[in-house]
Amino acid sequence: GEDVEQSLFLSVREGDSSVINCTYTDSSSTYLYWYKQEPGAGLQLLTYIFSNMDMKQDQRLTVLLNKKDKHLSLRIADTQTGDSAIYFCADPGRGGYNKLIFGAGTRLAVHP
Amino acid sequence: EAQVTQNPRYLITVTGKKLTVTCSQNMNHEYMSWYRQDPGLGLRQIYYSMNVEVTDKGDVPEGYKVSRKEKRNFPLILESPSPNQTSLYFCASSRRIAGAHNEQFFGPGTRLTVL
Repeated sequence: GEDVEQSLFLSVREGDSSVINCTYTDSSSTYLYWYKQEPGAGLQLLTYIFSNMDMKQDQRLTVLLNKKDKHLSLRIADTQTGDSAIYFCADPGRGGYNKLIFGAGTRLAVHP
Repeated sequence: EAQVTQNPRYLITVTGKKLTVTCSQNMNHEYMSWYRQDPGLGLRQIYYSMNVEVTDKGDVPEGYKVSRKEKRNFPLILESPSPNQTSLYFCASSRRIAGAHNEQFFGPGTRLTVL
């Protein structure tokens, strides 16, 4: 079945880079997504990548996609305390417009 | 302001007492979904709706009902809540844009505790 996996915790020092990894099983997805959930809040779209791209850069964020290995990563450069949140990888799978399949979420803790 | 609203934000109830969590969006989106979030499991879809009067089961529909009588509203109904439905619930909406990515907009969440 469709599945998305990611590690649960990541701790980094302020100013360092953070890399959050994700693997997915469905190769038919057109887009793959990263959502951010801040404490006590809903999810907000952070960035996304089209499946025919290898990399997408957006200010401090870099998304890398390896379709052969079905691996997606999110790199946050110069990580700040305000980046502390849970980050979800999401894949529409075969659901198309109807749903997203989420990973368990990676809790990023940024310490001084 | 474009948004998805949910009410209530917090609810503590007892087993078997029927409850409804409301969801409303002001973006004229066709698609709406309910998810539940549990630690270590991410978000799992409960039900979704593709338009008015069109709903279907997601991955974990047991114990839940939904309705879509108006485009903007998509209430989640728990007829007889049980403790295993204690969770954080999110409503989401999205628009179908052919050939483009499908951003889902999420509500702020409803934390439900069933005693």
